[in-house]
Order: sequence, then structure tokens, then C-alpha cells
Amino acid sequence: EAGVTQFPSHSVIEKGQTVTLRCDPISGHDNLYWYRRVMGKEIKFLLHFVKESKQDESGMPNNRFLAERTGGTYSTLKVQPAELEDSGVYFCASSLDPAPEQYFGPGTRLTVT
Amino acid sequence: ELKVEQNPLFLSMQEGKNYTIYCNYSTTSDRLYWYRQDPGKSLESLFVLLSNGAVKQEGRLMASLDTKARLSTLHITAAVHDLSATYFCAVRIWETSGSRLTFGEGTQLTVNP
Repeated sequence: EAGVTQFPSHSVIEKGQTVTLRCDPISGHDNLYWYRRVMGKEIKFLLHFVKESKQDESGMPNNRFLAERTGGTYSTLKVQPAELEDSGVYFCASSLDPAPEQYFGPGTRLTVT
Repeated sequence: ELKVEQNPLFLSMQEGKNYTIYCNYSTTSDRLYWYRQDPGKSLESLFVLLSNGAVKQEGRLMASLDTKARLSTLHITAAVHDLSATYFCAVRIWETSGSRLTFGEGTQLTVNP
């Protein structure tokens, strides 16, 4: 069974540009989560989808971040315009329902210069 | 706000030695996770601890949970180079919108020959 995949693995953009990260969860997983690790700090929750609906987006840092999950399958996280402090590793995770453990993707390393 | 603190954040040890990583958390939770991450790879689930006094072992790693002290430990026995990685503990919390994981900062373990 394929795991959670993320694309790209690494992105380098200039301040002010736009970047879109993609996450493909494990097939059949209704729950999809985005997390971020900035500057080697703790991994922080960003938001949680149940199917195509945003269940909890309280961790989104500001309105420059927009997450979507069309059709309840893959999800995208757009950062527009990117700022230096957005640099970090963005992880996606999925689960069958909120109770059991979440399965993580390898992350996308975003570098904003 | 839930805080999860790991220590040490950096650990360099020799092969064959024993050591313990500590994870303290600040509020009640029903589930504690330990993850391992190799560079550029996914977060790999190592242990899920559910109840006070829970102890789980896999190879050279043993995790325990004391819910009264809000403390979990990850003990490494007779370390080998293959254990070099970053280890995260994470605590699950429930909110009206659902559950999320709150992570510690991670412990970067280097095992030297």
C-alpha cells in the first residue's frame, strides 16, 4: 500500500513569490492534516480536513496560507506571498478517522530567500 | 496551551552505551506517540502509549509512560549506528473540532562507532 506522498520534496523561492505544496494521502483516508516544522523547532499543527471540509484550521499562521482538498482526495497548501519566516518543512499526514495514529509523508522543505 | 518538552535536544553517544530521552507534557492526554525521522524521510511511528504505566519495547528501544507525572521516556539500550535519527514525542489532545498532535522539538541522536 502506498504511503502518504508529498510534492515537491524541496522548493526554493524568493520572498513575495507563490508556492503550492501538494499532499496525496493514503487511499481511503478521510482525515488529512498539515503540520510545519520551522527552524528545527517543534512540529506544529496547521489544519485538519475531514474529506473536503476543513475541520480545524486554527493552526494556520495567517491569511497568506490557503489549504484546499478538492473532492476529498489530495490536498494543496498555497503560500502567497511567501515570507522568509515561512521557511521550514511542511508535513502532511492522513488517518482513517481521528482516533488512530496518523501516517506521515516525507515532508516538503520550503526555503524562502 | 499544551506544551511538550523533550530533552535532550541533541544527543551524541557511543555505540554500546545506554541513554534515555525524556518527554514532558503539560496537560492531560489519552495517547502519547514516539516517532523516528531519518533525514528526508517520513515520520515513522515507533510506539503508541495509551495508559499509565504502559511500557513497550522494540529491539533496542523501550518507551514508557507515567500519566501522573506527564512524562514519557524513550530508553536506548546498547546503541548502534543505525539508531541515528531524530526522535519526536507527540501528545494527542482533543478539542471540539477534533484531535490533533502536539509535538516536542525532537531529539537529534547521533550514535558514533
